[in-house]
Amino acid sequence: EAGVVQSPRYKIIEKKQPVAFWCNPISGHNTLYWYLQNLGQGPELLIRYENEEAVDDSQLPKDRFSAERLKGVDSTLKIQPAELGDSAVYLCASSLDAGDEQFFGPGTRLTVL
Amino acid sequence: AQSVTQLGSHVSVSEGALVLLRCNYSSSVPPYLFWYVQYPNQGLQLLLKYTTGATLVKGINGFEAEFKKSETSFHLTKPSAHMSDAAEYFCAVSGATGANNLFFGTGTRLTVIP
Repeated sequence: EAGVVQSPRYKIIEKKQPVAFWCNPISGHNTLYWYLQNLGQGPELLIRYENEEAVDDSQLPKDRFSAERLKGVDSTLKIQPAELGDSAVYLCASSLDAGDEQFFGPGTRLTVL
Repeated sequence: AQSVTQLGSHVSVSEGALVLLRCNYSSSVPPYLFWYVQYPNQGLQLLLKYTTGATLVKGINGFEAEFKKSETSFHLTKPSAHMSDAAEYFCAVSGATGANNLFFGTGTRLTVIP
């Protein structure tokens, strides 16, 4: 069974540029999560989807971050414009349903110059 | 609200020695507790979890952890360290009811000395 797929694995951009990350969850998983992991820190939840509905986006900086999960499968996380402080690893995870074990993708490492 | 404190950002042990990684939690509701391992450039992998029932839980790769409510702790142990155990370890907590948002600690990097 394929795990959570994320792309790209690495991204380097200049500040003020837009960037997008893509996540394909495990087939059949209804709940999808985006986490931010700063260097030397644990992951922090940005947004949680149940099917196509964002049920918890309280930690998502909505002035520059947006996310979507069309058709309740793949998801895209966007930053526009990127700032130096956005340099981090962005992790996607999925679970069968909320309350079930979360499976994590390898992450996208973003560097903003 | 839930939070986790991991004591010691770096732990070094000799190969074959006991591994002890400390985790204390705070939760306003009955907690679910987790340990994840992260190898370089990889995602997090679940080692073990406590939900209800037996307080000593066994996980993969010979790791185990004990839930101690009186001490609000969930320390991770392994009797004999192996070189392949070198990685970053994260303790996490979620509420036992409702949404299972995970709250992670800052992680402990384990180094195994040959």
